[in-house]
Amino acid sequence: AQKITQTQPGMFVQEKEAVTLDCTYDTSDPSYGLFWYKQPSSGEMIFLIYQGSYDQQNATEGRYSLNFQKARKSANLVISASQLGDSAMYFCAMSALLDEKLTFGTGTRLTIIP
Amino acid sequence: DVKVTQSSRYLVKRTGEKVFLECVQDMDHENMFWYRQDPGLGLRLIYFSYDVKMKEKGDIPEGYSVSREKKERFSLILESASTNQTSMYLCASSLAGEETQYFGPGTRLLVL
Repeated sequence: AQKITQTQPGMFVQEKEAVTLDCTYDTSDPSYGLFWYKQPSSGEMIFLIYQGSYDQQNATEGRYSLNFQKARKSANLVISASQLGDSAMYFCAMSALLDEKLTFGTGTRLTIIP
Repeated sequence: DVKVTQSSRYLVKRTGEKVFLECVQDMDHENMFWYRQDPGLGLRLIYFSYDVKMKEKGDIPEGYSVSREKKERFSLILESASTNQTSMYLCASSLAGEETQYFGPGTRLLVL
């Protein structure tokens, strides 16, 4: 069984500051994938970034990077130079390799303050 | 771009009604999923389908059924809606062998 833990229910961050959203996971699968999704108030889940457990380097996508620490079982999302449009719910998720099902955390609501 | 659409953004039904939630994707994805989202619980998988006419139970299938008669369409059915099924329902799809899922806009269902 897989488990995702997001311990920050809500965060307030000043615009233009960097943000780190925490995610820890637990799994017995030897290979797995880690995901971050963004959910604006409109409701649609938007895929942000993916990290494979076998990837040597941390994933990056524009202003998003995933700080993957395998030994600590953490997969934190870092958003650089936050913008007002980053205000949303953020979900961490994982899957076993080739499982194709995702297990989600409970989410973190990020609010960017002007 | 992957496009996943859901038939309604908001739906209000009465207890005991049969409810159909429709999901359509236009990228020829083999896999389709139905989740419900509740505050403090994240997303929980209800059912998923790897192929036409094929379905498997997720973590919370009780009170729900699904239908996949065509590859692009995956329907979630509440046979007799109850107030505890008031929730946000999200549909997703993915290619076979790929883990990244693409989501629709969601349906907010209120059961009175």
